[in-house]
Amino acid sequence: SYVLTQPPSVSVAPGKTARITCGGNNIGSKSVHWYQQKPGQAPVLVVYEDTDRPSGIPERFSGSNSGKTATLTISRVEAGDEADYYCQVWDNSRDHYVIFGGGTKLTVL
Amino acid sequence: EVKLVETGGGLIQPGGSLRLSCAVSGFTVSSNYMSWVRQAPGKGLEWVSVIYSGASTNYADSVKGRFTISRDNSKNTLYLRMNTLRAEDTAVYYCARGGSSGYLGAFDYWGQGTLVTVSS
Repeated sequence: SYVLTQPPSVSVAPGKTARITCGGNNIGSKSVHWYQQKPGQAPVLVVYEDTDRPSGIPERFSGSNSGKTATLTISRVEAGDEADYYCQVWDNSRDHYVIFGGGTKLTVL
Repeated sequence: EVKLVETGGGLIQPGGSLRLSCAVSGFTVSSNYMSWVRQAPGKGLEWVSVIYSGASTNYADSVKGRFTISRDNSKNTLYLRMNTLRAEDTAVYYCARGGSSGYLGAFDYWGQGTLVTVSS
């Protein structure tokens, strides 16, 4: 089955740029969605269809996807961005399964 | 305003059954594909099941044959019937809304989750 690989953790200083990767076989041919989850809360969609932002999500959140890696980029990181981030795709190779990456803990130093 | 509210979680013995509900408002449950996603304590998100607007369904291998997703359009509510529960089913269960156009994409709204604990 299709596997998405994320680094377990990423650390960044406030005001800097954080990049969280999501690796998968030919992931560039799929649409990638990103969720932010803070402790004790439900996930929140922050980027969909590789690069689009839902209303209410700051422009500091952006995404890209090419080849074997999709990336969530958070510019001008704030303390409130500290959270777990998950990438997600649909695996249509067999009967439409939803696949989540293992998640990345973003720590703001 | 779109809202999803899960209920029905609790403590259940191994081998037991439980039915989760997800009452939705602000949209029609049958117009979107809907999923259940779970999260074991301290772990990541795991997709469980989906029901499409046409009512066809699909399941993760880990729950296939034990869990059943359904909906009641008259009550605008999504369900997850869980049978033969195992300790490894212990998790917070979220319902999540997908798209309405038939295209399989992101989940834009999530409920607050309901905790299921399988233990003797």
